[in-house]
Amino acid sequence: SQQGEEDPQALSIQEGENATMNCSYKTSINNLQWYRQNSGRGLVHLILIRSNEREKHSGRLRVTLDTSKKSSSLLITASRAADTASYFCATAGGNAGGTSYGKLTFGQGTILTVHP
Amino acid sequence: NAGVTQTPKFRVLKTGQSMTLLCAQDMNHEYMYWYRQDPGMGLRLIHYSVGEGTTAKGEVPDGYNVSRLKKQNFLLGLESAAPSQTSVYFCASRVNYRGSVVNTEAFFGQGTRLTVV
Repeated sequence: SQQGEEDPQALSIQEGENATMNCSYKTSINNLQWYRQNSGRGLVHLILIRSNEREKHSGRLRVTLDTSKKSSSLLITASRAADTASYFCATAGGNAGGTSYGKLTFGQGTILTVHP
Repeated sequence: NAGVTQTPKFRVLKTGQSMTLLCAQDMNHEYMYWYRQDPGMGLRLIHYSVGEGTTAKGEVPDGYNVSRLKKQNFLLGLESAAPSQTSVYFCASRVNYRGSVVNTEAFFGQGTRLTVV
């Protein structure tokens, strides 16, 4: 089963609006990462938040992490048509030497469409 | 830098045929991964490797084999292709930074679109 699950599955907004995507996960993590995928392309890393962090910013991106609820959110402010893509959360867990060390598992993704 | 390169980019196989997908990275990364992406299923981990000569199973390993004979290459093999293996396959790699891969990002290839008829 997937470790991370994004919500909503699809999001359609107008340029200039904010877009919020959520991710829930099941087991303990070392960090949570967000990736973007343009149609027909590979994934590109956006931002990483460690398990001991609660909020992180990068340009128009804001990520929050609530380990007690096992959830994270990605906020894109002032969206642009070029932000149209699929967004995935990924969880990295496991302890050094453990069987799941180095694993990186992805959710199902949120398809974001930003209309000009 | 080329980053992560996957070959081939497209392939059509007949049921029962075999093939090998090649992933090459030039960043000296220790960790490498193979994922498959299907509509509505996100990315599912097939196999991964934490270093040269080592491999481990992911979520959906059945029907696939892998090898990591050289640090820069990670091969994914389909011994007897089935229509259920029609998918887009992605390779990724991560660096082991100061002895830890925990807080590092993954770099992805552009994908291999495989159709099994």
